[in-house]
Amino acid sequence: NAGVTQTPKFQVLKTGQSMTLQCAQDMNHNSMYWYRQDPGMGLRLIYYSASEGTTDKGEVPNGYNVSRLNKREFSLRLESAAPSQTSVYFCASRKSTGSSYNEQFFGPGTRLTVL
Amino acid sequence: ELKVEQNPLFLSMQEGKNYTIYCNYSTTSDRLYWYRQDPGKSLESLFVLLSNGAVKQEGRLMASLDTKARLSTLHITAAVHDLSATYFCAVDIDTNAGKSTFGDGTTLTVKP
Repeated sequence: NAGVTQTPKFQVLKTGQSMTLQCAQDMNHNSMYWYRQDPGMGLRLIYYSASEGTTDKGEVPNGYNVSRLNKREFSLRLESAAPSQTSVYFCASRKSTGSSYNEQFFGPGTRLTVL
Repeated sequence: ELKVEQNPLFLSMQEGKNYTIYCNYSTTSDRLYWYRQDPGKSLESLFVLLSNGAVKQEGRLMASLDTKARLSTLHITAAVHDLSATYFCAVDIDTNAGKSTFGDGTTLTVKP
């Protein structure tokens, strides 16, 4: 099992450019998440998908959009990048059964710099 | 709004010493997680604590949960350099959607 994979690993954008961060998991997990981590800080939830076909905003959704393409894949799109979006982005997934959730499994991260 | 507070945020300790990291949260929850992050790396799960009084141990780390006090502790016994990392606690705020709120992390440095 590859677990949770993310592409790209590194990206540099100019202000106003757009890009999509890709995430895939092969653990048959229902729930998937996108976080950002800024230096010296914890993780802040951007968007999440409790199950295939649903997405919801997290703590810091402004400037981002997501697509749950299928059960395996959950992408994050920056339509018009801003320097404030410079961060490390982590995708995560977890198994869920009804209202029971296990721990999250994280991808390796995407380091994004917006100039 | 759920708040999760960890203390201390930074901890420098000598090898062989014991110490405890605290995680307080502001609303009722019975599901708490501890994760470890090495510098420049991703997060990996350490412990899942699912009920009041739960205690889990792995090597030199032991985690416990007191839901009445809304407090979890991560105890380090006889620290070694390999334990140097940032430790995060996370609390589920809506078990129907599986959202977690993370603390800011405790960066542990173990010195010889």
